[in-house]
Amino acid sequence: GAGVSQSPSNKVTEKGKDVELRCDPISGHTALYWYRQSLGQGLEFLIYFQGNSAPDKSGLPSDRFSAERTGGSVSTLTIQRTQQEDSAVYLCASSAGRAGAFDTQYFGPGTRLTVL
Amino acid sequence: DAKTTQPNSMESNEEEPVHLPCNHSTISGTDYIHWYRQLPSQGPEYVIHGLTSNVNNRMASLAIAEDRKSSTLILHRATLRDAAVYYCILRANAGGTSYGKLTFGQGTILTVHP
Repeated sequence: GAGVSQSPSNKVTEKGKDVELRCDPISGHTALYWYRQSLGQGLEFLIYFQGNSAPDKSGLPSDRFSAERTGGSVSTLTIQRTQQEDSAVYLCASSAGRAGAFDTQYFGPGTRLTVL
Repeated sequence: DAKTTQPNSMESNEEEPVHLPCNHSTISGTDYIHWYRQLPSQGPEYVIHGLTSNVNNRMASLAIAEDRKSSTLILHRATLRDAAVYYCILRANAGGTSYGKLTFGQGTILTVHP
């Protein structure tokens, strides 16, 4: 079946502009995660959704970052007033949402964001 | 989440076995040991997980020390497609609030030579 998809695959923007990144999880997966990967910081967690609510937003680096999920499916990560340090690959993952350590996460291919 | 320590890099020849170590001396009794890998230009993918007993699947084997303070991911016959960054991750069991997110360390960069 279809895996996690993300769009766009690449995004180049100018400093100060807002960007929206989209994630389509695997159908039926109730849990959705956003991570980002940059050269200096490795792979870091941003936010976690269970259904449409976000019980863990602890990884969002500043109030310029926000995310929402609608209909328990598609999620959008929004970065306002982008800065050069926001340049990274933004990865989305989804899982069935079962409590416990068996909940395998399936990752999308990522969106590469470049802020000029 | 408890921390894990892995070598920065390892090398192997094609069709030889590869043993990727991971130390997790502060592991708690309910932490599961997970391995993910990230192929070049792709998102991470699940490899295997275990609690106490050794585990095998089609991708790899996981050997867990008796005291659970370390584990080893075993690729029985490395191929060029196994070249990736391998991450060892501890995840709390059901009831733990940390079960959602994955906490990635630096991982081990595996290079496979033809």
